[in-house]
Amino acid sequence: GENVEQHPSTLSVQEGDSAVIKCTYSDSASNYFPWYKQELGKGPQLIIDIRSNVGEKKDQRIAVTLNKTAKHFSLHITETQPEDSAVYFCAGRKNTGNQFYFGTGTSLTVIP
Amino acid sequence: NAGVTQTPKFQVLKTGQSMTLQCAQDMNHEYMSWYRQDPGMGLRLIHYSVGAGITDQGEVPNGYNVSRSTTEDFPLRLLSAAPSQTSVYFCASSLSSGNNEQYFGPGTRLTVT
Repeated sequence: GENVEQHPSTLSVQEGDSAVIKCTYSDSASNYFPWYKQELGKGPQLIIDIRSNVGEKKDQRIAVTLNKTAKHFSLHITETQPEDSAVYFCAGRKNTGNQFYFGTGTSLTVIP
Repeated sequence: NAGVTQTPKFQVLKTGQSMTLQCAQDMNHEYMSWYRQDPGMGLRLIHYSVGAGITDQGEVPNGYNVSRSTTEDFPLRLLSAAPSQTSVYFCASSLSSGNNEQYFGPGTRLTVT
């Protein structure tokens, strides 16, 4: 199966600074990479995703980049705010099959 | 729409007991799945279903059974609970297996003593 690794496991930033979370994947057949935000006591929520035919996607303060050759993708959050504090998960999915493979999560703390 | 609902929110079981975690969605989604979330391990797929009457195993299916008799419901059964099944369980759904946006329920925190 696929193996998705995520770093760092914890990240603290000052409010207004940028945060970057990185993931690598092992299976070159993976072609869809979502990012989820999980707040305390809640289920994960999709915040942005990228497909393998795109190198970068942006949605307001959030952006995701994908490097297919190196098999890694990253989440970028700019102008961080305290409400960005949460656990973030990356995931990968192959173009065949119905399984998502998740990273181990990054706990982001934005310090006011 | 209520989205994806899960019951119960919390549950404590003794080793060897059985129980069913309930999951329902009101979005007419074909694809439903169960994950477990353990510290430092992310979410791991237990079982999934691409439609009523169709289920398949995920990454960690041992000790769990599922069925999908209706589009709306996808219960997860623990036949003989073990301490290793202590975890937070999430149900998720998406419009179809080819549609990638998954909607997650609020989770069930299960402790097996």
